[in-house]
Amino acid sequence: KAGVTQTPRYLIKTRGQQVTLSCSPISGHRSVSWYQQTPGQGLQFLFEYFSETQRNKGNFPGRFSGRQFSNSRSEMNVSTLELGDSALYLCASSMVTPGTDTQYFGPGTRLTVL
Amino acid sequence: KQEVTQIPAALSVPEGENLVLNCSFTDSAIYNLQWFRQDPGKGLTSLLLIQSSQREQTSGRLNASLDKSSGRSTLYIAASQPGDSATYLCAVGGTGGGADGLTFGKGTHLIIQP
Repeated sequence: KAGVTQTPRYLIKTRGQQVTLSCSPISGHRSVSWYQQTPGQGLQFLFEYFSETQRNKGNFPGRFSGRQFSNSRSEMNVSTLELGDSALYLCASSMVTPGTDTQYFGPGTRLTVL
Repeated sequence: KQEVTQIPAALSVPEGENLVLNCSFTDSAIYNLQWFRQDPGKGLTSLLLIQSSQREQTSGRLNASLDKSSGRSTLYIAASQPGDSATYLCAVGGTGGGADGLTFGKGTHLIIQP
């Protein structure tokens, strides 16, 4: 069974640009969560989608948004990039409920903002 | 707000030793607790998932315990090997119907010396 895949693996952008990251969950998984990992803050929850609906959102500004498609694939978008957005963005999928089911993580997208 | 603390932040031991990693959390109203490992530049690999009704889980040389009332979990690694070198992360799944994202500790960076 294929794992969680994320594309692209690496991105370099400049301040003010926007970026879209993609995540394909494990087949049969309907919940997709996004996390930001930085050396200073560690792993922080961004948002979670289930059946194309955002069920929960972490404490991030509105520049961070996401969506989920009918095949459970998800994208996240960051607009008006800032230097502090440089991070490893991780996507995780679970069967239904991330708080009760095991979450499986993808390899991440490394975003560098110059 | 849930906070997760991991002690120690870093640990270096010779190969073959048994070791214990510690995790504490401030809010005992959790759905589950997961231990992950992260290799440099990679995503997270789920090691063990303990539901809130369970006391421990075992997988091979790994054993994780959970004491919800005291807000503590330990990950025991038996007969450590150089391949165990990685960052170990503890994460709790909270309330909100389980749809809340995981709250992570900052991790324990483990080095096993050959």
